Amino acid sequence: RKEVEQDPGPFNVPEGATVAFNCTYSNSASQSFFWYRQDCRKEPKLLMSVYSSGNEDGRFTAQLNRASQYISLLIRDSKLSDSATYLCVVAMDSNYQLIWGAGTKLIIKP
Amino acid sequence: ETGVTQSPTHLIKTRGQQVTLRCSSQSGHNTVSWYQQALGQGPQFIFQYYREEENGRGNFPPRFSGLQFPNYSSELNVNALELDDSALYLCASSWSQTGENPYEQYFGPGTRLTVT
Repeated sequence: RKEVEQDPGPFNVPEGATVAFNCTYSNSASQSFFWYRQDCRKEPKLLMSVYSSGNEDGRFTAQLNRASQYISLLIRDSKLSDSATYLCVVAMDSNYQLIWGAGTKLIIKP
Repeated sequence: ETGVTQSPTHLIKTRGQQVTLRCSSQSGHNTVSWYQQALGQGPQFIFQYYREEENGRGNFPPRFSGLQFPNYSSELNVNALELDDSALYLCASSWSQTGENPYEQYFGPGTRLTVT
């Protein structure tokens, strides 16, 4: 079983729709969680950290469910520019290694 | 732009050869992490350098080695290249007070290595 699992997609979504991704992680000792965005053939860029209480940044909302060991990302009012691969990242405070999922590909259609 | 640069952008090597990839950190950052990203996969942690010392290593063989210089720039060296080493190699710089928890990492554009 992979340490961090994501649905690879692609998710084909019309512009303006709401889309949600989930990511599950296997190590219950994981302490820090992030969503990164990666455009085709580009480097990953931090989208947002995920806090226990959940957090929102504009159209993006991230949630953490420790009991079920998953994190989610919700994108509202999706834009064409949201098309990218979204990578779920998990880390433990005992070390500095980031464990990455394989990513979920999102395609926003006009 | 993050201010992290990598060179070269693309590279083609033959199996068995050696390669050196370079990374310049963002100004003020003292920690560099290297990742290998195969096509369709997430990045895999290779190792991290903090103040010129290796500060942790992922599940990669010893033929993957690195250096960090006093100006915090870094090199990744891979010996005896194998076909499976073909991937995007990413470096990420960050600042850490103690060498721990440098989570907010800023990535360079990567070097795409093809081994034939």
